[in-house]
Amino acid sequence: QVQLQESGPGLVKPSETLSLTCSVSGHSISSSPYYWGWIRQSPVKGLEWIASISDSGNTYFTPSLKSRVTISVDSSKNQFSLKLRSVTAADTALYYCARQFSWGRVMDVWGKGTTVAVSS
Amino acid sequence: DIQMTQSPSSVSASVGDRVTITCRASQDISSWLAWYQQKPGKAPQLLIYSASSLQSGVPSRFSGSGFGTDFTLTISSLQPDDFATYYCQQSNSLPPTFGGGTKVEIK
Repeated sequence: QVQLQESGPGLVKPSETLSLTCSVSGHSISSSPYYWGWIRQSPVKGLEWIASISDSGNTYFTPSLKSRVTISVDSSKNQFSLKLRSVTAADTALYYCARQFSWGRVMDVWGKGTTVAVSS
Repeated sequence: DIQMTQSPSSVSASVGDRVTITCRASQDISSWLAWYQQKPGKAPQLLIYSASSLQSGVPSRFSGSGFGTDFTLTISSLQPDDFATYYCQQSNSLPPTFGGGTKVEIK
């Protein structure tokens, strides 16, 4: 059974970098044909896809966040990570990692989510 | 970005009722539509993809239909476990975008 678990700090200061890791169990992160991605949810913006990375390492980003986001994979640890730079209060949200198919556009397995607040 | 609009935003229904939720895309997305169920404090769960394909393990009382810009999620006989919020999401093009959600409440 595939399981995903997010980890990272629950509080980040404005202008700093938000860093999250998703640990995957029950499935090799290198296996085709899945992508791996991040989605966030807030009362203001609802569900918002952030970024995805394919099994071959290709990356995809939502345009509004592209300049601030990095997504990467550590196959040796079966993990993937998100970095969001220069955060503001608008980045406060519940962050989910997910396994994706259909070229990274459908999320079939989700982590439980981790809440990140941006505040000084 | 493709905008997804769901209606209604909430619906009150009783166990055994037939419930229909609609989703409209701002442009033609063919059959590239998914539906998710989210319960309070939990992550969304995939119910349907490609407009009408039932995800493995999802009860057959859930069904999806539609093509182009207009789509429907139907729960044929509402069960106690179905009270939740439902989201549509287009998978036609990047970025994938979600509707605002429809909350199914107990009448």
